[in-house]
Parts: sequence; structure tokens; C-alpha cells
Amino acid sequence: AQRVTQPEKLLSVFKGAPVELKCNYSYSGSPELFWYVQYSRQRLQLLLRHISRESIKGFTADLNKGETSFHLKKPFAQEEDSAMYYCALSGNTDKLIFGTGTRLQVFP
Amino acid sequence: DAGVIQSPRHEVTEMGQEVTLRCKPISGHDYLFWYRQTMMRGLELLIYFNNNVPIDDSGMPEDRFSAKMPNASFSTLKIQPSEPRDSAVYFCASSFGKNRNTIYFGEGSWLTVV
Repeated sequence: AQRVTQPEKLLSVFKGAPVELKCNYSYSGSPELFWYVQYSRQRLQLLLRHISRESIKGFTADLNKGETSFHLKKPFAQEEDSAMYYCALSGNTDKLIFGTGTRLQVFP
Repeated sequence: DAGVIQSPRHEVTEMGQEVTLRCKPISGHDYLFWYRQTMMRGLELLIYFNNNVPIDDSGMPEDRFSAKMPNASFSTLKIQPSEPRDSAVYFCASSFGKNRNTIYFGEGSWLTVV
């Protein structure tokens, strides 16, 4: 079965602090993993994907197959990073399975 | 393209009433997904279509929920009868092919059942 776990519902940090949003997955094959972001009252949008190994808005995420994790990191959080973040998995089906999401609050 | 278009954006209805949510996917996209977003459960996949055919409806919570896609440019999600626990944001998304890099979401339909 495909499953995505985001253990934290809420993560609060101060501006300039490092951020790590945790994501663990369960899938026996080779997964495709994504991070989506939803700013207040906006539509969900793709932030980054593991296959491109890119940095978007200062965020990076590395796939660790040994730990089945895909944590999202940013060295210095900004207030505009406050949003809902969803980790998502695409396996051997056409479905995109999301975790329960983590709300990031960045205080000034 | 205006993106995935959903209507209504907001709906408040009384328990027992029928609710119909509508979605227009991006032109040319052959996959359409319906998701439900709640605080407790996050984003849940309800059902998805490929070329207008329902492929997996295992996420549909109960028989009260039904979805149709009569053509490539329109889909509906119906709840009959509605209950307060159905209150959530319902998202429609579409994509082209099996490349999940190209999935685009609508702005959501905020449903409140009182």
C-alpha cells in the first residue's frame, strides 16, 4: 500500500530559523515524491519534486530511500513561507497520494 | 487557459440537501481527480477519472457520494443527502498523462453543511 506520513500538524518557528518539515512514505517500489504548498486561501501548487533535485524559494528535499523519507528543508525561514505544506507520493498507479499536511507558521 | 475551474466557490446548505460540485479541467488534460481537504485528515483522494472513465473510487466515503464525468471538459461530485461531517474543501485537479509533475488544482469548493 502507498502511504505518506507527515507527523507534525503544526510547526512554528521564528524568522531566520532553520525549518525541516518531515515526510515519510511507505511504498515498495521506486517512488516519485513531491512537495506541494498551499498559501492562505490559494490553490495547491507544486513546490518541488525529488527527480529534479532543485531548490525552490530556498527549499530543498532529498529522497532517502533507506529511511523512506523526503523531508523538506530551508536554512532560514521567511514570514512569507507561512503556509500549508503537503508531501505527496506517486507510485505504480496513476494516483497522487498526499499526507495530512503540516502548517508552517513563521513568526517575525 | 484559466486553469482548473470549480464552482461553487462557497456553499452553505442544510443537512439532508443535495449538493453538486462542478469542475472544468484544463483543456487537453486526460486525468481528473477529486480530493477532499479537512483539518483532521488532510487531502484525501476521493475518485479519479482517465479519459472520462472512473478508474478508482475507493476513496469515496459512502454511497451518498457520487461522481460523473460526462465529457472531457466537465465533472460533477454529488452528495445526497449531505451531512454536517461532509463539511470540507473539495478540490478538483487535472493532469496530462501519467506525469504527476503536471497536476494542477482548482481553487476548491468550500462546503459547509449545517
